[in-house]
Amino acid sequence: DVKVTQSSRYLVKRTGEKVFLECVQDMDHENMFWYRQDPGLGLRLIYFSYDVKMKEKGDIPEGYSVSREKKERFSLILESASTNQTSMYLCASSFAGRGTNEKLFFGSGTQLSVL
Amino acid sequence: AQTVTQSQPEMSVQEAETVTLSCTYDTSESNYYLFWYKQPPSRQMILVIRQEAYKQQNATENRFSVNFQKAAKSFSLKISDSQLGDTAMYFCAFMNPHDNNDMRFGAGTRLTVKP
Repeated sequence: DVKVTQSSRYLVKRTGEKVFLECVQDMDHENMFWYRQDPGLGLRLIYFSYDVKMKEKGDIPEGYSVSREKKERFSLILESASTNQTSMYLCASSFAGRGTNEKLFFGSGTQLSVL
Repeated sequence: AQTVTQSQPEMSVQEAETVTLSCTYDTSESNYYLFWYKQPPSRQMILVIRQEAYKQQNATENRFSVNFQKAAKSFSLKISDSQLGDTAMYFCAFMNPHDNNDMRFGAGTRLTVKP
């Protein structure tokens, strides 16, 4: 089975701290994604990456950056955490290309609280 | 950009009965994929069912089936013989295979199955 692992299930940080959220997948997927989940808003795409060292902005990239140095790992970085970044963060991965049973595989999420 | 709308924030159903969750979307693409994901209290997103837009036949997975109306841009999920384990958040999602498999989600419907 595909496994997408997020390093922390719960995280509490202070305003202004630099925060790293790590995600690792074990299925050699080309695509990796970071979503933010908030009540009433569903999942919103922050950033995605379709290859090592490649990244694309999603719908809400402000205040975030990402790093993909290795194919299996995709990191989300909050340079200076703010209270409005308190949320559930979900990492996902998928194969690239068409006709490859396109779907996303998700991690279990990181609930981040910024105080 | 594609948008996905779920107009029912919450629904409930009695155990063993049938419930339908609605979803509409907006796109100018002719080929795309639609999904229903389930998120139980464990937070793990689970793929329930997947529909390819070029297939007219509605997808079915055991007790779960969809009513895909391409012209109306509607994609509803029917759950038959509801079980307590079906209690979860349900997200409708749209994927554009021409856009790095970028997936967009609705706001979600919280379904409660009552004994």
